[in-house]
Amino acid sequence: NAGVMQNPRHLVRRRGQEARLRCSPMKGHSHVYWYRQLPEEGLKFMVYLQKENIIDESGMPKERFSAEFPKEGPSILRIQQVVRGDSAAYFCASSPRTGVGTDTQYFGPGTRLTVL
Amino acid sequence: GEDVEQSLFLSVREGDSSVINCTYTDSSSTYLYWYKQEPGAGLQLLTYIFSNMDMKQDQRLTVLLNKKDKHLSLRIADTQTGDSAIYFCAETPVSGGYNKLIFGAGTRLAVHP
Repeated sequence: NAGVMQNPRHLVRRRGQEARLRCSPMKGHSHVYWYRQLPEEGLKFMVYLQKENIIDESGMPKERFSAEFPKEGPSILRIQQVVRGDSAAYFCASSPRTGVGTDTQYFGPGTRLTVL
Repeated sequence: GEDVEQSLFLSVREGDSSVINCTYTDSSSTYLYWYKQEPGAGLQLLTYIFSNMDMKQDQRLTVLLNKKDKHLSLRIADTQTGDSAIYFCAETPVSGGYNKLIFGAGTRLAVHP
């Protein structure tokens, strides 16, 4: 069973460009979480999605950021008109169902975004 | 509010025990987690503890929970150079019934010979 896949692993964008980050959850997992890790900091929750639904986007900036998890295909985190402050590692995690505890999240390797 | 705090650095000698400490604020958190992050990698779940437990042991790892003080610790016995990494404590406040993790800033563990 392959783990959570993220691509690309490294992404370089110039200010003003768009960044598109992809996450393929583990097989059988229908819940996806996105987190952002700024340099020398812990991970901060951004958004939680189920198939075709955004459940909680309270951690995601209201402008320029959007996320989706379509019925088919990976979850996408999209950042429009990137700025230098968007440079960070973006991690995706998946879980098989909602709830806490043993329904743990499995993390992907992350996408490291650098904005020049 | 939701806040998790950890000391930033810990240096230990190979073979000694390491103790990484964490404090959290949300008393509604039912599960608390320890994750390990190696350089350039994602997060690996090490262990978790349910809030009605005081202690959990898993091979070289021992987790202690003091719910009254909202204090969590991770003890690594016989620390090895391969344990050098950043260790994150995380809580899951009960909010909507799903697993929104709140992380500390991480403790960087350096193991020297």
